Amino acid sequence: SQTIHQWPATLVQPVGSPLSLECTVEGTSNPNLYWYRQAAGRGLQLLFYSVGIGQISSEVPQNLSASRPQDRQFILSSKKLLLSDSGFYLCAWRAQTRRTEAFFGQGTRLTVV
Amino acid sequence: AQKVTQAQTEISVVEKEDVTLDCVYETRDTTYYLFWYKQPPSGELVFLIRRNSFDEQNEISGRYSWNFQKSTSSFNFTITASQVVDSAVYFCALSEGRGSTLGRLYFGRGTQLTVWP
Repeated sequence: SQTIHQWPATLVQPVGSPLSLECTVEGTSNPNLYWYRQAAGRGLQLLFYSVGIGQISSEVPQNLSASRPQDRQFILSSKKLLLSDSGFYLCAWRAQTRRTEAFFGQGTRLTVV
Repeated sequence: AQKVTQAQTEISVVEKEDVTLDCVYETRDTTYYLFWYKQPPSGELVFLIRRNSFDEQNEISGRYSWNFQKSTSSFNFTITASQVVDSAVYFCALSEGRGSTLGRLYFGRGTQLTVWP
């Protein structure tokens, strides 16, 4: 069966520090991968998605970046965090077809102080 | 333009009441997929249902039912005889697949449902 791992679960980082959140998927190959952010307003904002290794699409211009160094690994990074980067970050995967649902990791709660 | 609209920000009901969560979507695709997710206080999103655009048959799963109407671009979710454990944020989502939107999965802003004992 497929599983998705996301870590860390919680993170407190000072403003200006770097960020690296990692997400890995097991039990499937060539998945679509997604990073979402959920701010206090509760909506899910799509940040990045990837349909293959090295293929990253950015939805919102910001100081975050994403990389997909391996087929089932998706990394969200920042060189310098801002206060506004605080939020709940969710990684998700779905099969390479738009008809399937996405499956989510347990999320990372990031607080920038 | 927002592709998925959940106009109800918060809903409160008393246990055993029925409640309907509204979802209106916008797409130019002739083939698309709609989803509902539940987010309990723990934060993880739990998949509830998928519906494709060429299947307008309503679906019932226990106390949950979904009403898909292409004519009004709506995909509403009803919980019958609500329970306290149904308290969560519920999200509606849309998947398109052509051209520049290939692979994207759009979510509404969610509806916070609170069920009081």
